[in-house]
Amino acid sequence: SQQGEEDPQALSIQEGENATMNCSYKTSINNLQWYRQNSGRGLVHLILIRSNEREKHSGRLRVTLDTSKKSSSLLITASRAADTASYFCATVASGAGSYQLTFGKGTKLSVIP
Amino acid sequence: KAGVTQTPRYLIKTRGQQVTLSCSPISGHRSVSWYQQTPGQGLQFLFEYFSETQRNKGNFPGRFSGRQFSNSRSEMNVSTLELGDSALYLCASSFINPWETQYFGPGTRLLVL
Repeated sequence: SQQGEEDPQALSIQEGENATMNCSYKTSINNLQWYRQNSGRGLVHLILIRSNEREKHSGRLRVTLDTSKKSSSLLITASRAADTASYFCATVASGAGSYQLTFGKGTKLSVIP
Repeated sequence: KAGVTQTPRYLIKTRGQQVTLSCSPISGHRSVSWYQQTPGQGLQFLFEYFSETQRNKGNFPGRFSGRQFSNSRSEMNVSTLELGDSALYLCASSFINPWETQYFGPGTRLLVL
């Protein structure tokens, strides 16, 4: 089963509005990452937040991590039409000399000009 | 620096055939991971190679195999293709550890008829 589950599955907003996407996971993690994918192309890494961090910023992106609730959120402020894409969270968990990197099914964001 | 490249970009095969996909990582990156992306299952981890050794493996049948060469380039092979193997196959490279930032290629879209 998927470790990370994004919510909502789809989101449609007007340009200039903020977009918030959530990711929940089930087991303890080492870090959590957010990626963007434009229409069937490769993924682009957006931000990585470690399990001992609570918030990170990168430009118009803000990511929070709540390990007690096993959840993370990605906020895109002042959205642009170019932000239209699918956004995935990926969780990294390690143990027994191995690791598991698991992607959620993504949130499809549409930003209407 | 050139990004991750994947060849071919598109491929059409028939059931029972085999296919080999190629991935060239970013120069200096030694870890290469492969993923399968389908609308139903999302992004699923296939395997990861580091210094010509498979370091981690996902839950896929033995028909899926891979290898890595001394220059870090990687290939994945799928034998006895099934209709369900139709997917976007993504390759990602990272410097050493795949649980840190990964850089994805544009993918190879495989259609099995």
